[in-house]
Amino acid sequence: DSGVTQTPKHLITATGQRVTLRCSPRSGDLSVYWYQQSLDQGLQFLIQYYNGEERAKGNILERFSAQQFPDLHSELNLSSLELGDSALYFCASSSPRGRYNEQFFGPGTRLTVL
Amino acid sequence: GENVEQHPSTLSVQEGDSAVIKCTYSDSASNYFPWYKQELGKGPQLIIDIRSNVGEKKDQRIAVTLNKTAKHFSLHITETQPEDSAVYFCAAKERNKIYNQGGKLIFGQGTELSVKP
Repeated sequence: DSGVTQTPKHLITATGQRVTLRCSPRSGDLSVYWYQQSLDQGLQFLIQYYNGEERAKGNILERFSAQQFPDLHSELNLSSLELGDSALYFCASSSPRGRYNEQFFGPGTRLTVL
Repeated sequence: GENVEQHPSTLSVQEGDSAVIKCTYSDSASNYFPWYKQELGKGPQLIIDIRSNVGEKKDQRIAVTLNKTAKHFSLHITETQPEDSAVYFCAAKERNKIYNQGGKLIFGQGTELSVKP
């Protein structure tokens, strides 16, 4: 158990809908990262937050957005869903201490868009 | 940006044999290279990592080597066991040139390791 929690575990929805995925980082970690894992694209970085501020962006679609709240939990919002958005979404967190910032992953949310 | 290539995509070994997975990276500024193990239905689990100022690191049956000149790093698993069966991912941390904290991980495509009893 990495200490990173994600809810829900599974999500099934229809095209055009909007969903929110939630992540709680490990105790003491200030950075939260979101990754998407699909069969054809592998594990792809989406976005990073550090203590409430956006720090890095990957190839995140404009239909997707995220935020990190004062209690450090983060939410990833996916809107106008398409079939191709079906994937596993992982959150990872890292400590502010140290130079290399090991990232620890949560169990993921499996999103199925029908 | 950083690009990571991983080989092989599948690897089948007999229990007790060694397994080696290789990765290459493109950005010489990358300084941190973790390896993750992902079992079915679970998130990636950090199993070992290496910093750019180190050439080799061992943890029991697992070792990682780094060749900065050639820009490649490898995972070695000795005395493999059936519970080592999983998908393994290498990654390189792409430095955030603006902020010192964090940095996104660029992952290889994954290696499905199967250890036959």
